[in-house]
Order: sequence, then C-alpha cells, then structure tokens
Amino acid sequence: EEQLVESGGGLVKPGGSLRLSCAASGFTFSDAWMSWVRQTPGKGLEWVGRIRSKTAGGTTDYAAPVKGRFIVSRDDSKNTLYLQMNSLRTEDTAVYHCTLGGHYFGLWGQGTLVTVSS
Amino acid sequence: QSALTQPASVSGSPGQSITVSCTGTSSDIGEYNFVSWYQQHPGKVPKLIIYDVSERPSGVSGRFSGSKSGNTASLTISGLQAEDEADYYCSSYPSSNTVIFGGGTKLTVL
Repeated sequence: EEQLVESGGGLVKPGGSLRLSCAASGFTFSDAWMSWVRQTPGKGLEWVGRIRSKTAGGTTDYAAPVKGRFIVSRDDSKNTLYLQMNSLRTEDTAVYHCTLGGHYFGLWGQGTLVTVSS
Repeated sequence: QSALTQPASVSGSPGQSITVSCTGTSSDIGEYNFVSWYQQHPGKVPKLIIYDVSERPSGVSGRFSGSKSGNTASLTISGLQAEDEADYYCSSYPSSNTVIFGGGTKLTVL
C-alpha cells in the first residue's frame, strides 16, 4: 500500500527553523517527483515546493512566499523527503502535507502541524 | 502568481448535476492542460479526482468529469449523492514552474 507519513512539526518562534520529514513506502520513491502542500486550518491549499526525481535532474521549485527560506530535499536511500524551513513567520502556520507528484498530487500524507508563534 | 478563482459555494439536490468553475489566466489554465481537481471531506486529506483537465484516476467515480474552455476549467458532478458533499479545489501549473490552487468551493447536497 502506498503511504506517506510526515513528522517533525511543532511549535516554533518567529525567525526559528524546523525540519519536516516524510517517510514514503509502497512505491518507487526514487522515480517520484515529490511536493509539499500546506493548508491553513479552516482555509485552503497552498503549494510550497517540489523536487524532481534524480533522473529528471533532482532540481527544486518553490512558491514565491517561501523561496529563499525553505529547502526541499530527498534521500532516496531512505525513501524520505524533507522540508527545511528557516526564518519562519507567523503566516507559515499550517498543516504541511507531503504529496506524490509534481503538478498534480495523487497521494497525500496526513500532514504535520507547524505553529509559528511567540 | 494569483490563486485561481472558484465560487465559495455551490449546492444541488440528490440526482442533479452541478458544475464548479475555476478561473485562471492565459498564463496558467489557458496555456497548459495541467488542471487538477481535489475533493476534501471534513477532517480528511484531499483526494485527487481529476488530473490533466479531464483524466480520472483509477477508482474515481465516472460521475466526476472535468473540462476546460479558455482560461476557465470546470468540474461537473452528475447524479449528485449525499457523499459528494465536500470541499473541492482546483489546481493549475502555470508557466512560472509553480503550482497554484483555487480558494476552494463548498458543495452542499440539499
């Protein structure tokens, strides 16, 4: 069964950093383009960033609000996706979902809540 | 890149058909056939129901269909059922190499 399980969320002060992890199973992770999508409680969806498979170059793209602050990376040997979040702002508070896909998202993790507050 | 525009809410009676619109620009929906739709029930994660404008993933009911005309994409649900009551989000892949979502539409089955 295909599955994505996020971890690493929590409470952090503005300006702080946090690293999220996403453990993938049930599919060939190394061939997959992966993305992070966040959802503010009670509000809509916002794409955060994407990483291509190594065979597609392994490059990354980011949404404008997080570019320069967030970094998406992967460890194919561990079937794990990461999101390094730096210089966090209160508006980054959201549930962060790991997703399978580059421009559409066929598999979602349950998400991990990140709260940025002083 | 601005978010796509969706109506805040739509409603319909069981058995009817409803359509949810998703309006973008010539740089996103109008340029690429990369429109997808997601269904989200309360407390659940989003579920992909349409990709590449009109393709249905395996296991998704044939009552769901997608289309596009110019800068506007549409999701049609036919034979409306109580279980279809949920939030629906559209998404597109603009020329900026990013992904944008609509604000979401709440479907109420009367």
